[in-house]
Amino acid sequence: NAGVTQTPKFRVLKTGQSMTLLCAQDMNHEYMYWYRQDPGMGLRLIHYSVGEGTTAKGEVPDGYNVSRLKKQNFLLGLESAAPSQTSVYFCASSYTPIDSAGELFFGEGSRLTVL
Amino acid sequence: GQNIDQPTEMTATEGAIVQINCTYQTSGFNGLFWYQQHAGEAPTFLSYNVLDGLEEKGRFSSFLSRSKGYSYLLLKELQMKDSASYLCACMDSNYQLIWGAGTKLIIKP
Repeated sequence: NAGVTQTPKFRVLKTGQSMTLLCAQDMNHEYMYWYRQDPGMGLRLIHYSVGEGTTAKGEVPDGYNVSRLKKQNFLLGLESAAPSQTSVYFCASSYTPIDSAGELFFGEGSRLTVL
Repeated sequence: GQNIDQPTEMTATEGAIVQINCTYQTSGFNGLFWYQQHAGEAPTFLSYNVLDGLEEKGRFSSFLSRSKGYSYLLLKELQMKDSASYLCACMDSNYQLIWGAGTKLIIKP
């Protein structure tokens, strides 16, 4: 079972470059999330989606954009990368909303370095 | 502000018992999660508590005291594979998840 798949796994960018992280899930989940994980800090929510065609801002949305054109895919874009965006990015999905104690299923992470 | 506190690192011996504490200060409370994350891997769900008391799942148990803003994860019969980070996350009144920085558990033979 693939579950939640993220591509690419690793990427090095120069300041000002753009890129897109792709998240794909095969569990038919409605809810999808993008988090970043930095040393010494908890996971922080960037953007999330409650269904195909919908997106919403999380705790740290600045500098990122997202799209959910298909239910199974959730894309995270960086239009002009900055060194502060160096992080490990995790995509997650859930069958039910978090507010009904929905378990999150995470991808394996994408390690992004911005020079 | 909202805050989740857990120890940064703990060490325990194979076969022993370890308790990982988590204290939280959030605007409202709608449940608390524990996740396990092996180094370089994805977090995986361990438990969810919304009512006071102990929830047991095999070798792992999770306890919640809402009045004290406190939870712990209890791991029994420790195995080397339990070496991982354990993440505590609290859901506030807006159903937003607030995550702790995680506790790195090192198991020694």
